[in-house]
Formats: sequence, C-alpha cells, structure tokens
Amino acid sequence: ETGVTQSPTHLIKTRGQQVTLRCSSQSGHNTVSWYQQALGQGPQFIFQYYREEENGRGNFPPRFSGLQFPNYSSELNVNALELDDSALYLCASSGTGDLNTEAFFGQGTRLTVV
Amino acid sequence: AQKITQTQPGMFVQEKEAVTLDCTYDTSDPSYGLFWYKQPSSGEMIFLIYQGSYDQQNATEGRYSLNFQKARKSANLVISASQLGDSAMYFCAMRGDSNYQLIWGAGTKLIIKP
Repeated sequence: ETGVTQSPTHLIKTRGQQVTLRCSSQSGHNTVSWYQQALGQGPQFIFQYYREEENGRGNFPPRFSGLQFPNYSSELNVNALELDDSALYLCASSGTGDLNTEAFFGQGTRLTVV
Repeated sequence: AQKITQTQPGMFVQEKEAVTLDCTYDTSDPSYGLFWYKQPSSGEMIFLIYQGSYDQQNATEGRYSLNFQKARKSANLVISASQLGDSAMYFCAMRGDSNYQLIWGAGTKLIIKP
C-alpha cells in the first residue's frame, strides 16, 4: 500500500449538485496532484498543490477547485456536477514535484453523476 | 505539446512468457522523465519503473525493464516471466521540466492466460 488514502471510495450524485473528495497524502509528502480518469481512458491532470498553494492546473473549468491543508491532506471540490464528470478521481502525493519523483496514488474515488 | 501514445489497446500473453508493451512519446522539453504504472481493476495506480531522459542505462526493477530508445522517442516496458497477477491495465506517463503534470497514454490492457 502507498499510504495515500481517499474518501469516499464510491459516490453517486445528481446533476447540478456539489461534491467534495478527500485525500490524505503519504507521510512526509508535501505535493498533491488530482487526476480525472474517465472509463477506458488515461488520467487527465486537474491540478497540483505544493505547500498549500496551487502551482499547476490542467484544462478544467473553475467549478473544479481544491484545497491543501497544513498537514498536506487535500480536497477536490466540484460544483454544478455534469454527467460527464462521472469518472474515477485519483489523488497522488509525492515528496516534491521534481521531474524524477514518482507519484504515489490512492485507490481513487468512483463518482457517478446521474 | 507533450503526448504519449500507446498503440496496443489489449494484449493476450501466455503465462511465463515475456511481454513488451509499447510506448512512444513526444516532447520539446530537453529533460523529462518516463514512468510506467499498473492499474488493477481495483483502480489504484501502482508505480513500476522510471527512466530519466539523461540516464545512460535502461532502467530495471525486478521483472520489469524499460527499453529506452531516445532517438526513436520510445520507452517500451518489458515484463519477463509473466504471471497471472500481471493481468491489469498498464499506463505509460511522462513529466517534462516545463510543467508539473504527468501526461498519460490511453493504456494497454494485458491479460495473462494460464
């Protein structure tokens, strides 16, 4: 196991609702990244947090937002849910955002929007 | 722009045989890192192996090795002596020194036959 935990593991929401996904990073890791993985596809980068500041963002609308806390755990918030938001959401932590640093992933949260 | 291409949507391999999973990449970054991850049906991304763009030797980790051909921009994963537990999705990913995110391929579904 990687030491990265995500909650909840599964979630069903209605279109238009808001959702918060949580991630506890591996001990000693100060960088957290979030990815969206649609069924049958590779993950897509949403954003990254380093020491509580967002320091990189992918091509996602502003209704996707996040937070990182002093203990380096993180939240992903999605407002005004759409059907296409149904996906596996993966959280990854790493010691730094350096080039050669592997990311350790949690088991993911499977979000279904109906 | 950075891009990862995995041209094998699925592969069937006999147990104990070696298997090569293809990955080609495109980037204009002078420095970059290449990663392979395994994703079982449970959803968690499991780090397998890393290759840096300036590494002189191909990376190896137990039964995993990376056949890195920089001029051809390929980074194929070789799994020796395949096992039934190797059945999973395999993703090739890249991080360049111009951004923070991992860029992912579409993945290859590997099924090991007994």
